[in-house]
Amino acid sequence: DAKTTQPTSMDCAEGRAANLPCNHSTISGNEYVYWYRQIHSQGPQYIIHGLKNNETNEMASLIITEDRKSSTLILPHATLRDTAVYYCIVRVHNAGNMLTFGGGTRLMVKP
Amino acid sequence: EAQVTQNPRYLITVTGKKLTVTCSQNMNHEYMSWYRQDPGLGLRQIYYSMNVEVTDKGDVPEGYKVSRKEKRNFPLILESPSPNQTSLYFCASGFFDRVYGYTFGSGTRLTVV
Repeated sequence: DAKTTQPTSMDCAEGRAANLPCNHSTISGNEYVYWYRQIHSQGPQYIIHGLKNNETNEMASLIITEDRKSSTLILPHATLRDTAVYYCIVRVHNAGNMLTFGGGTRLMVKP
Repeated sequence: EAQVTQNPRYLITVTGKKLTVTCSQNMNHEYMSWYRQDPGLGLRQIYYSMNVEVTDKGDVPEGYKVSRKEKRNFPLILESPSPNQTSLYFCASGFFDRVYGYTFGSGTRLTVV
């Protein structure tokens, strides 16, 4: 799986958009970008994934650059409940192994 | 409701006393896996299973056993627990051949004294 680089921590004001970047410069053509988050001591929660097109669901939007070397997860209106560690993971979807988690970005949403 | 269920949520045990943490999913997933999470070390995979009777080691398998006799269940067995296995454990499941996210259980906090 391609390696990812994320900032260790970020702050965001409540109600504002939270933009979480992820670099994955060694991504290969058949690897997807997945985002998960973990709210304190709970099980990680799947948020969104994409291959090359931008994606949106009820939780977030995922913007992938044209060269696919980086992506941004956008929480359009962050709330205090979005405070969590966000993990960007790049992998082939049917690889013979499950997810490998890096350090992630600790997002603190402040009132 | 589609979910991964782990039991127990909390467990305190003594060194050397065999224990089993159960994991069950109701989504007909082929993949199941166990992770442990420790401060400063993040989430590390212990064992995974690609289907019934197929299991393989993850990054930190020492001291653990698993079995996959049925598709829905994937118990984690500690034959002789030691204090360094005190950790927060998560079970996860997913489809092998579809591009979906994986579902995690709520976690089991294990303390070995």
